[in-house]
Amino acid sequence: AQKVTQAQTEISVVEKEDVTLDCVYETRDTTYYLFWYKQPPSGELVFLIRRNSFDEQNEISGRYSWNFQKSTSSFNFTITASQVVDSAVYFCALSEAGGFGNEKLTFGTGTRLTIIP
Amino acid sequence: DTGVSQDPRHKITKRGQNVTFRCDPISEHNRLYWYRQTLGQGPEFLTYFQNEAQLEKSRLLSDRFSAERPKGSFSTLEIQRTEQGDSAMYLCASSGGLPNYNEQFFGPGTRLTVL
Repeated sequence: AQKVTQAQTEISVVEKEDVTLDCVYETRDTTYYLFWYKQPPSGELVFLIRRNSFDEQNEISGRYSWNFQKSTSSFNFTITASQVVDSAVYFCALSEAGGFGNEKLTFGTGTRLTIIP
Repeated sequence: DTGVSQDPRHKITKRGQNVTFRCDPISEHNRLYWYRQTLGQGPEFLTYFQNEAQLEKSRLLSDRFSAERPKGSFSTLEIQRTEQGDSAMYLCASSGGLPNYNEQFFGPGTRLTVL
């Protein structure tokens, strides 16, 4: 069975500091996808990134960067120069290539990030 | 079409009543998912549709729950004889569009409170 662990329940940092959110996953499949979603106070899940299991290149998008390491089954997310608008709950998720095109997501329990002005 | 929509956004009901939620996916998406999210937890998968066919149901979906997607467009999730443990946010997501066909777009959710 697949599992996603986000050990950090809550993190608070002062604005402009860098912060890293950890994600560790378990799966028996060799083909899978990893995701990060942001859930602001409004409640809607916002897609941030998807990586497939064959692409271990790190990715940077503006102030966001992701570090995928298959050897440690981790997919960590770093926000550089944090801003108050980054305050939200962040979820890491995993999907396997299921039958009938089903790519249901298995989510972690989330990390609540608070940026202090 | 700007995204996935869900109706209602909030529902308060008494224990034992039936409730029905609606999800309108992004129009070109053929895949539709329902998830449930309780307080302090990540969303959990409930069921999956490809077009009008319901192809997988989680064990979380007891026989009081039923979902449909007639004609492969909108979907409904019905809960019969609601219980307090059904209180949660019910999220709908759709996928199947280009360029990233497996990216799931989520709706704003329906928050259910069972008194």
